Amino acid sequence: DTGVSQDPRHKITKRGQNVTFRCDPISEHNRLYWYRQTLGQGPEFLTYFQNEAQLEKSRLLSDRFSAERPKGSFSTLEIQRTEQGDSAMYLCASSPGLAGATGELFFGEGSRLTVL
Amino acid sequence: AQSVAQPEDQVNVAEGNPLTVKCTYSVSGNPYLFWYVQYPNRGLQFLLKYITGDNLVKGSYGFEAEFNKSQTSFHLKKPSALVSDSALYFCAVRFNSGGYQKVTFGTGTKLQVIP
Repeated sequence: DTGVSQDPRHKITKRGQNVTFRCDPISEHNRLYWYRQTLGQGPEFLTYFQNEAQLEKSRLLSDRFSAERPKGSFSTLEIQRTEQGDSAMYLCASSPGLAGATGELFFGEGSRLTVL
Repeated sequence: AQSVAQPEDQVNVAEGNPLTVKCTYSVSGNPYLFWYVQYPNRGLQFLLKYITGDNLVKGSYGFEAEFNKSQTSFHLKKPSALVSDSALYFCAVRFNSGGYQKVTFGTGTKLQVIP
């Protein structure tokens, strides 16, 4: 299966610790998105990459959050000094660039974060 | 602001009956509209989309959706519900923001198909 993969699937951490999530998109997709989903809510946009360039960041992404996509392939999302309010499912999605764009996003299974 | 609204938190339907999950949108310009499904502890899966053309679009697993410009709606439908259709359904809209394409999701509707 060459879909979007995310690691780890589950992470339990104590308040104040740092956590990092990894996303491997579909190989030919140059667009990569991070979303956050809390219980009972739809996915909320966090940030978006086209190749290695981070083109947009949501105001939801405080300075404790940082995302990278250094070689335009996999991406990492790091949360520093975690707070209980960071507990959520972090979803990664990818899509082709303009040439192959049909509009839909391809999602990974998500990384569930629990901050104690 | 560009947005979608799903007015029902939950929809219950008997197996074999038709189902409708509602979505309305607020977008300037021509909307790109999508439906996704999410099973427990899983990521979202694409069901169908409206970009242009026929107002009735067909998608995966026998689902279809009707684009209605005058009512700014994009309701998801299926003629005969299956128990396995029970899941969380999200409507989404894609639009240009600052030269980039963004996708905004609704809050979701839980579909419960009763055997």
